[in-house]
Amino acid sequence: DTAVSQTPKYLVTQMGNDKSIKCEQNLGHDTMYWYKQDSKKFLKIMFSYNNKELIINETVPNRFSPKSPDKAHLNLHINSLELGDSAVYFCASSHRDRGRPGYGYTFGSGTRLTVV
Amino acid sequence: LAKTTQPISMDSYEGQEVNITCSHNNIATNDYITWYQQFPSQGPRFIIQGYKTKVTNEVASLFIPADRKSSTLSLPRVSLSDTAVYYCLVGEGNQGGKLIFGQGTELSVKP
Repeated sequence: DTAVSQTPKYLVTQMGNDKSIKCEQNLGHDTMYWYKQDSKKFLKIMFSYNNKELIINETVPNRFSPKSPDKAHLNLHINSLELGDSAVYFCASSHRDRGRPGYGYTFGSGTRLTVV
Repeated sequence: LAKTTQPISMDSYEGQEVNITCSHNNIATNDYITWYQQFPSQGPRFIIQGYKTKVTNEVASLFIPADRKSSTLSLPRVSLSDTAVYYCLVGEGNQGGKLIFGQGTELSVKP
């Protein structure tokens, strides 16, 4: 199936731990993103990579570090997890230079992170 | 960046036409208007995009008046499976491709 897939779907961990979320897309897109959705359903962009190059880095604690080994993969590593990091994290991908921003972004199904 | 305002929630019944209006008074000349749909426990899904006048696809229609300060997403004959949150987004390419999501409209379709 063509899709954006992220693992794990659920992640429960204790404060202070380090965890990673993986994302892969087989759509041939050149740009990948990480979004965070909090309990109030607001979706906020965190990072974006275009062909393995970081192009968007929003105001995110430096405990969060994205890594893109190739343009089909974008992983998110989180150090020293805090209670406030609990949220749903979505990976997405798109073609960046289509001249129609927002067109046809494909999102993964999300990773629900719970920090206890 | 243009800010969007849309109703927090709407109720409808199966078979009705649903119109969700989004206000974007500060829309810029190069901005496109895009709508996404999000079901519970899933990521947002692209529905439709337009720049001006009317756009229609197999899922919905998007009406954009001449001044482009608002837009209306029209869902014909909704079913229970259309219950979701609908997001209106306005943005242009030099934002680096990031999408700015507003609060969304939670649509509840009842039998």
